[in-house]
Amino acid sequence: AQSVSQHNHHVILSEAASLELGCNYSYGGTVNLFWYVQYPGQHLQLLLKYFSGDPLVKGIKGFEAEFIKSKFSFNLRKPSVQWSDTAEYFCAVNAGIQGAQKLVFGQGTRLTINP
Amino acid sequence: GAGVSQTPSNKVTEKGKYVELRCDPISGHTALYWYRQSLGQGPEFLIYFQGTGAADDSGLPNDRFFAVRPEGSVSTLKIQRTERGDSAVYLCASSPQGGPYNEQFFGPGTRLTVL
Repeated sequence: AQSVSQHNHHVILSEAASLELGCNYSYGGTVNLFWYVQYPGQHLQLLLKYFSGDPLVKGIKGFEAEFIKSKFSFNLRKPSVQWSDTAEYFCAVNAGIQGAQKLVFGQGTRLTINP
Repeated sequence: GAGVSQTPSNKVTEKGKYVELRCDPISGHTALYWYRQSLGQGPEFLIYFQGTGAADDSGLPNDRFFAVRPEGSVSTLKIQRTERGDSAVYLCASSPQGGPYNEQFFGPGTRLTVL
């Protein structure tokens, strides 16, 4: 069975600080990887995704993530955070095979950016 | 265009009662998913529909939970004999078609509280 682990439950940063949120998954086969974000009072929305190819993927709002297969990791990064990045971030995985539909989510990381 | 909508936004019920939660997917999306999110956790898969049929119901916790999508559009999640442990936010998502490579678009959720 697949599982996803997010190391940090709550991260507090000041504006302009650099961000890295950890995500590790457990699955032996091909995977598709996602980061979703939930801003206060809003629904989950996709930040970025990785299916194949270049392991460094860029998403919306200046976010990027790097897939490191040997470490089963897909960490999210942003060089300089803004107050508007305050949100909850979820890493998710599904098996990269036809017929695999469900997303398996990590427990989430709450990010607070102080102005 | 309109996103995924869910009604009601909040539902408070008493232990042992029956509840129905409704999901309206994005028009034209053939795939529909239900997830459940408990406090402090990431969403947890419940069931996936492709068209009218439940293609994967492996996440339903027990036979008190049932979902339908009779016309391949709107879906209803039904919970019988509710228990306090059923309290959570129930999320619906849809995607243009099934498969692991399609982005899932999430609704705002229904917050269910069982007293």
